[in-house]
Amino acid sequence: GEDVEQSLFLSVREGDSSVINCTYTDSSSTYLYWYKQEPGAGLQLLTYIFSNMDMKQDQRLTVLLNKKDKHLSLRIADTQTGDSAIYFCAETLNYGGSQGNLIFGKGTKLSVKP
Amino acid sequence: NAGVTQTPKFRVLKTGQSMTLLCAQDMNHEYMYWYRQDPGMGLRLIHYSVGEGTTAKGEVPDGYNVSRLKKQNFLLGLESAAPSQTSVYFCASSYGDVLGGYGYTFGSGTRLTVV
Repeated sequence: GEDVEQSLFLSVREGDSSVINCTYTDSSSTYLYWYKQEPGAGLQLLTYIFSNMDMKQDQRLTVLLNKKDKHLSLRIADTQTGDSAIYFCAETLNYGGSQGNLIFGKGTKLSVKP
Repeated sequence: NAGVTQTPKFRVLKTGQSMTLLCAQDMNHEYMYWYRQDPGMGLRLIHYSVGEGTTAKGEVPDGYNVSRLKKQNFLLGLESAAPSQTSVYFCASSYGDVLGGYGYTFGSGTRLTVV
């Protein structure tokens, strides 16, 4: 079945780069997403990448997509304490009655130490 | 500019009581979803709807019912609450267009405790 895998925890020092990794299963996914959840809040769409792209950059965020290995990563440059949150990877289902639904990973908790 | 609004934000129930969680969206989204979030379990899909008047079961539907009588509202009901339903509940909505890349818009959550 469909599954999205992420490591559960990542700890970095302020000013370093953070790299959060994700593997997914549906090779037909059209879009892949990164969501951010701050403590006590809902999930907010951080960025997304279309499946025909290898890379997308948006200010401090860089998304890399390796379709062959079904691997997605999110790099945060110059990580700040305000980046401490849970980051969820998600892929799009493109078949059956669930077409359009997203499958989420369990989330990676990023802790940024001053 | 409200997006997705969930009410209530917090609730404490006694075992066996019933309640309804309300989700409202003002973005004319076709699809709506109810998730629960528990520590270490990520997001688990309870029920979803692909349009007004339709509902479908997700990964963990037992003990919950839903209704989508109006396009903008998606209600989640607990008929007889159990301590295992203590969780944070999130509603989300989307255009449901796999080609659009719009993703989901989430509400801020309802923290439910069943004692």
